Amino acid sequence: DTGVSQNPRHKITKRGQNVTFRCDPISEHNRLYWYRQTLGQGPEFLTYFQNEAQLEKSRLLSDRFSAERPKGSFSTLEIQRTEQGDSAMYLCASRFFGLDTDTQYFGPGTRLTVL
Amino acid sequence: GESVGLHLPTLSVQEGDNSIINCAYSNSASDYFIWYKQESGKGPQFIIDIRSNMDKRQGQRVTVLLNKTVKHLSLQIAATQPGDSAVYFCAENGQGAQKLVFGQGTRLTINP
Repeated sequence: DTGVSQNPRHKITKRGQNVTFRCDPISEHNRLYWYRQTLGQGPEFLTYFQNEAQLEKSRLLSDRFSAERPKGSFSTLEIQRTEQGDSAMYLCASRFFGLDTDTQYFGPGTRLTVL
Repeated sequence: GESVGLHLPTLSVQEGDNSIINCAYSNSASDYFIWYKQESGKGPQFIIDIRSNMDKRQGQRVTVLLNKTVKHLSLQIAATQPGDSAVYFCAENGQGAQKLVFGQGTRLTINP
């Protein structure tokens, strides 16, 4: 399977702890996106990368959130000092920018529960 | 601001019937629209997309219709099967925007 993969699939943590999620995009996709999805809602954009450059960040991405894509392949999303309001599904998506398609392909997500 | 919404939060259909899921968008500058299917505990799965220079596009058992005049999008699923049970999201990629803006979603349930 060469789709988008995310690890871990589930994470339970205590309030105040730091967590890090990883996303491996589809090979050769140069754009990588992070979204957050709460129960019953559609995904909300957080940030995206073109290769290793972070080009846009949502206002949802507070100072406690940081994302990296150091080599333009996999990406990590870190949340510091987690709060209960951070509990959500964190989705990663990728696409190839430059072709005549805007389709983003999503991974299975990482479900975060903050106790 | 941008918003993409759905008319109905739930839709229940008989197996074998056709399903129609509706979506309204507010950004008249949007030039790309996409439908995703999301099953419980999984990420959104691409179904079909359409650009604003088209008003209809067909896939396997699915058809997307775009009415730019009233800013309305619909997804038609032919001969609905139990495996079609999921939440369906429409999303737009507003002109010049690089992110997808999603609606709340419609839960489709299939009655045997």
